[in-house]
Amino acid sequence: EVQLVESGGGLIQPGGSLRLSCAASGFTVSSNYMSWVRQAPAKGLEWVSVIYSGGGTYYAGSVRGRSTISRDDSKNTLYLQLNSLGAEDTAVYYCARAVTGTFYFDSWGQGTLVTVSS
Amino acid sequence: QSALTQPASVSGSPGQSITISCTGTSSDVGAYNFVSWYQQHPGKAPKLMIYDVSNRPSGVSNRFSGSKSDSTASLTISGLQAEDEADYYCNSYTSTSTWVFGGGTKLTVL
Repeated sequence: EVQLVESGGGLIQPGGSLRLSCAASGFTVSSNYMSWVRQAPAKGLEWVSVIYSGGGTYYAGSVRGRSTISRDDSKNTLYLQLNSLGAEDTAVYYCARAVTGTFYFDSWGQGTLVTVSS
Repeated sequence: QSALTQPASVSGSPGQSITISCTGTSSDVGAYNFVSWYQQHPGKAPKLMIYDVSNRPSGVSNRFSGSKSDSTASLTISGLQAEDEADYYCNSYTSTSTWVFGGGTKLTVL
């Protein structure tokens, strides 16, 4: 069974950094396109970043330059490092899978809440 | 990349049909047949309902259907049921190897 479990969220002060994790089971992270999607409170979904199976990475404009997506193949885990956090980064962060060669998200984690506040 | 445009809300009575539109550009919806739709109930993760414009994943009711014309995609739900009340989001792959979501549509079953 495919499963994605996010962790690493919490209360962060403005200007701070955090690293979110997404532990996968039932499939191999490195063989798929893995994305982060976030949702601010009472707002819509926003695609954040992807790491392709080939290793290429892309970011939404809202986080480009202050975020890094990565994966640890030995742990079958996806990460998102976010720096210079602001109130606009407060959201539930989901990891989502797109099978290589497809361009839709067929599996999602339950999300982890990040709150940026002093 | 600007968000795709969806109506903020739609409503319908049980048994009726509704359609949600999703308008993009020639760089996303109009560029590929990689439009997908997600259903999200409050406090839950999104669920894939339609992929590649008009395909349904296994387990999704055939009351859900999708289509596309130029840069506008549509999701139609027929035979509305109370359980269909949720937020719906369209999504498209883009020419810059990224994805973009619509702003979301709240469906109310009257």
